[in-house]
Amino acid sequence: IAGITQAPTSQILAAGRRMTLRCTQDMRHNAMYWYRQDLGLGLRLIHYSNTAGTTGKGEVPDGYSVSRANTDDFPLTLASAVPSQTSVYFCASSEDRGSSPLHFGNGTRLTVT
Amino acid sequence: GQNIDQPTEMTATEGAIVQINCTYQTSGFNGLFWYQQHAGEAPTFLSYNVLDGLEEKGRFSSFLSRSKGYSYLLLKELQMKDSASYLCAVRSFNTGGFKTIFGAGTRLFVKA
Repeated sequence: IAGITQAPTSQILAAGRRMTLRCTQDMRHNAMYWYRQDLGLGLRLIHYSNTAGTTGKGEVPDGYSVSRANTDDFPLTLASAVPSQTSVYFCASSEDRGSSPLHFGNGTRLTVT
Repeated sequence: GQNIDQPTEMTATEGAIVQINCTYQTSGFNGLFWYQQHAGEAPTFLSYNVLDGLEEKGRFSSFLSRSKGYSYLLLKELQMKDSASYLCAVRSFNTGGFKTIFGAGTRLFVKA
């Protein structure tokens, strides 16, 4: 089934630990995005990539890094997790046309203790 | 920068009509999207507007006025399953390419 797969589904992480959230899509979409969703704040863009080999900063990039080595994968890394990074993380992809909607993965619920 | 505003919560009655408003400020405007998100699930696409006017899709319609930076989502013949959050999102195109920024969402409660 075509779509976006995120892993893990949920994770409890000790503060200071390193963590990589995985995201893979099989729709051959050029653009991919990482959002975090917090109650009352909605979806906030962390990083994005319009095509393999390029990345850009979103609204809240600090403390996060991404890479886009190929079209299908867009991992998000927390180098040293802090409790304020407790959130639900959504990966999304779209075709690189303005009218193309975002397709979302099912999210990763991350708790940093 | 970008700014998107929508009401936090709305309540409506089953069978009624509800209008959810969204105002935005952005540069490089390239379209406005509405998404639906049920609790604990991922957002799903509802509608897209890039030109002024009304787009109708079944029970859902979306309107855009670019000059006013304003959109609304209209839901007709409300059903209990329409209880969800509705997210207004603006796509822009600048030197970094396409970006989609979301408002905080409007939680809609449909009561019997």
